[in-house]
Amino acid sequence: EVQLLESGGGLLQPGGSLRLSCVASGLRFSNYGMTWVRQAPGKGLEWVSSISASGGSTEYTDSLKGRFSISRDNSKNTVFLQMSSLRAEDTAVYYCATISGAGGDGTCYDYWGQGTLVTVSS
Amino acid sequence: DIQMTQSPSSLSASVGDRVTVTCRASQSISRNLNWYQKKPGEAPKLLIYGASNLQGWVPSRFSGSGSGTDFTLTISSLQPDDFATYYCQQSYNVPPTFGQGTKVEIK
Repeated sequence: EVQLLESGGGLLQPGGSLRLSCVASGLRFSNYGMTWVRQAPGKGLEWVSSISASGGSTEYTDSLKGRFSISRDNSKNTVFLQMSSLRAEDTAVYYCATISGAGGDGTCYDYWGQGTLVTVSS
Repeated sequence: DIQMTQSPSSLSASVGDRVTVTCRASQSISRNLNWYQKKPGEAPKLLIYGASNLQGWVPSRFSGSGSGTDFTLTISSLQPDDFATYYCQQSYNVPPTFGQGTKVEIK
């Protein structure tokens, strides 16, 4: 059974930094690209960042470039999201998910963690 | 960025009803369209990928169709477990973008 377990969320003040982790089990982690998606309170889903299976390629939503950094350690089946200069609008549940092919029609996010809550407030 | 617009934003329906949710892309995305089901306090679940392919756990009352800019998610006979928010998402271009969601509520 595939499981993704996020950790590292919490309450912090504006301007602070935080590193989220997502540990995967039940799959060959090094074969999967990984992504982070967030959901602010009462809002919809928003893609944050993705990293390729090898870690050699990363992508970010434009509004977060320079503040967030994604990385992975395939030896530990873990993907990370380093967040800095945090703002109140970064308050959200952050989910990690695996990226898989969509039957020749792009990609999809097929396994998801339960999420970790990040609250940025003074 | 490709904008994804879902309609309606919410709907009320009864068990047994046929429910249709539409998703429109601001430009053609071929069939690079996925649907997710989201319940409060739970992780999103992949429902349909590639516009019309059901993920393994999904009951056959769900179906997806469309290509280009217009897509549809249909639930043929709404069941109690189906009350949730549904999101479409395009994977044609970076950044991948989601629709705003359609909340399916009990009438």
